[in-house]
Amino acid sequence: QVQLQQSGPGLVKPSQTLSLTCAISGDSVSRNNAAWNWIRQSPSRGLEWLARTYYRSKWYSDYAVSVKSRMTINPDTSKNQFSLQLNSVTPEDTAVYYCTRAAPAMDVWGQGTPVTVSS
Amino acid sequence: DIVMTQSPDSLAVSLGERATINCKSGQSVLYSSNNMNHLAWYQQKPGQPPKLLINWASTRESGVPDRFSGSGSGTDFTLTISSLQAEDVAVYYCQQYYGPPYTFGQGTKLEIK
Repeated sequence: QVQLQQSGPGLVKPSQTLSLTCAISGDSVSRNNAAWNWIRQSPSRGLEWLARTYYRSKWYSDYAVSVKSRMTINPDTSKNQFSLQLNSVTPEDTAVYYCTRAAPAMDVWGQGTPVTVSS
Repeated sequence: DIVMTQSPDSLAVSLGERATINCKSGQSVLYSSNNMNHLAWYQQKPGQPPKLLINWASTRESGVPDRFSGSGSGTDFTLTISSLQAEDVAVYYCQQYYGPPYTFGQGTKLEIK
């Protein structure tokens, strides 16, 4: 059974960097017919797809326009996980963040990490 | 971006009755290379992540009760719960995976009448 375990802080100060990690068990981040995603959910924005990374002979990444200049998604094959870094956060980045597997619909979700941006 | 619009925003149905949720995409999500609709339905209960119910517009995930069914093609889709059970109270979302950015509908809150 595939499971995604998220880790990372729940409180980040404005202008700082949010870092989250998603550890994969029961599957491989290098699997060549899946993509690994970050999604967030807030009352104001609903469910918002942020980024994906996937391996097809080499690594690819895609980002939502709204976060492209501030976000990095990175696979870590040695630890079988992937991560999110979101720079220069503001209170508008307050949300529940989820990691998911897409194969191609989002069939596996992490437990969610509530993140608050506040001083 | 492909805008996904669900209707209604909320719905109250009696136990054992049919519930119908609609989803309209701003452009077709029928992919010509595989003739498949890149459309999924999710169920989200409070405090939980969304759960995939249906993909390819009409294919139920393993373990999903057969009272859940999906239909439609192109830009218009429907999720039907044939006989509402108490455990079906949740928010339901459609999502297109035609291509990034992946987009979700705003959600439909389903309650018991």
